[in-house]
Amino acid sequence: DVKVTQSSRYLVKRTGEKVFLECVQDMDHENMFWYRQDPGLGLRLIYFSYDVKMKEKGDIPEGYSVSREKKERFSLILESASTNQTSMYLCASTPSRGVPLHFGNGTRLTVT
Amino acid sequence: QKEVEQNSGPLSVPEGAIASLNCTYSDRGSQSFFWYRQYSGKSPELIMFIYSNGDKEDGRFTAQLNKASQYVSLLIRDSQPSDSATYLCAVGGFQKLVFGTGTRLLVSP
Repeated sequence: DVKVTQSSRYLVKRTGEKVFLECVQDMDHENMFWYRQDPGLGLRLIYFSYDVKMKEKGDIPEGYSVSREKKERFSLILESASTNQTSMYLCASTPSRGVPLHFGNGTRLTVT
Repeated sequence: QKEVEQNSGPLSVPEGAIASLNCTYSDRGSQSFFWYRQYSGKSPELIMFIYSNGDKEDGRFTAQLNKASQYVSLLIRDSQPSDSATYLCAVGGFQKLVFGTGTRLLVSP
């Protein structure tokens, strides 16, 4: 069974802080994704990566960056957290394009 | 214009009935189609996926795809209260998956 682990289930940060959200998958998947989910807006893609040290912008990359130094780990970085980044963040992985995503449990981030 | 559209609901059905969830998409080049179930406060879990026109059945679930009309649907037979959740339609092109905002299903005992 694929396991995608997000480091924190709930996180509270202050405006202006640098925030790291970590995601680790244990199935040697090539592709990893970061989404945020907000009521009425659905899941929106922030960044994705198809290989180590490779990253591509999704639909809403502003205010975020990512790091993929190892195949199993994909980190989302909020350079300077703002209140409009309060959201549920979901990491996902998949072995190849076009096959189902496996999601982590999510991190509910609150920025005050 | 939204790329993947779903009726937000709630769709209310009695226990034992068939629930029909629909999704339309705009990208004619889409190649992969998924249905995810999401309980409140939880992450999405895969229910069905379909790649070809027609029907695909798995237990009480049937996914239907019509590429000419650009819609995909999910039928849930013998609906149970435990099926009450939000159902997300996701449509994939070559590079990425686009999600609808979900349909909330309520199954009453």
